[in-house]
Amino acid sequence: EADIYQTPRYLVIGTGKKITLECSQTMGHDKMYWYQQDPGMELHLIHYSYGVNSTEKGDLSSESTVSRIRTEHFPLTLESARPSHTSQYLCASSEKVSSRTSEYNEQFFGPGTRLTVL
Amino acid sequence: KNQVEQSPQSLIILEGKNCTLQCNYTVSPFSNLRWYKQDTGRGPVSLTIMTFSENTKSNGRYTATLDADTKQSSLHITASQLSDSASYICVVSDRGSTLGRLYFGRGTQLTVWP
Repeated sequence: EADIYQTPRYLVIGTGKKITLECSQTMGHDKMYWYQQDPGMELHLIHYSYGVNSTEKGDLSSESTVSRIRTEHFPLTLESARPSHTSQYLCASSEKVSSRTSEYNEQFFGPGTRLTVL
Repeated sequence: KNQVEQSPQSLIILEGKNCTLQCNYTVSPFSNLRWYKQDTGRGPVSLTIMTFSENTKSNGRYTATLDADTKQSSLHITASQLSDSASYICVVSDRGSTLGRLYFGRGTQLTVWP
């Protein structure tokens, strides 16, 4: 089991509210990620970070923002939630794995936050 | 366009039976291919990772194969158990960036019945 945590696990909120989804990892990983996943669909990368004070937008355009003030913490914020933001949000962190023949980033996922905006 | 396609979309089998899930990809340049298991309402958990030099890898009752020439992979589950019910996601990583960009399939939803 990876030591990566997300809170809340479930959130139902009204349109226009500001929300922050929390993500923390205790593995000391520099790289962290936020993905969005709708039922039956693939994960889409919406934000990533190489380390403290580094944040980048992913492949899927998102109205959310992220911050990385501490290595272990990578919160995602929606300033004004809308029904179109209803989805599952997955946080992940990664470490470099090296063997004799290859090198890759092993990603570890949190349990996710299921967000419903009414 | 880099894509990962999985089949079947869903599968129902009886407990104790074997099954094989398929993954085709067009990701290039290829770095590695991963199979993840995602339980409902949870995050994906890694089952296997294979690089271009590996053509098979096992993790307990799970055996993944990779044919880098045809860009195909399969995940074979032996003697299925009720706890195997989950979505199985094929993920391919490229070598084109420091981040190691991941391309996700939509998953195969496996249901094991008693």
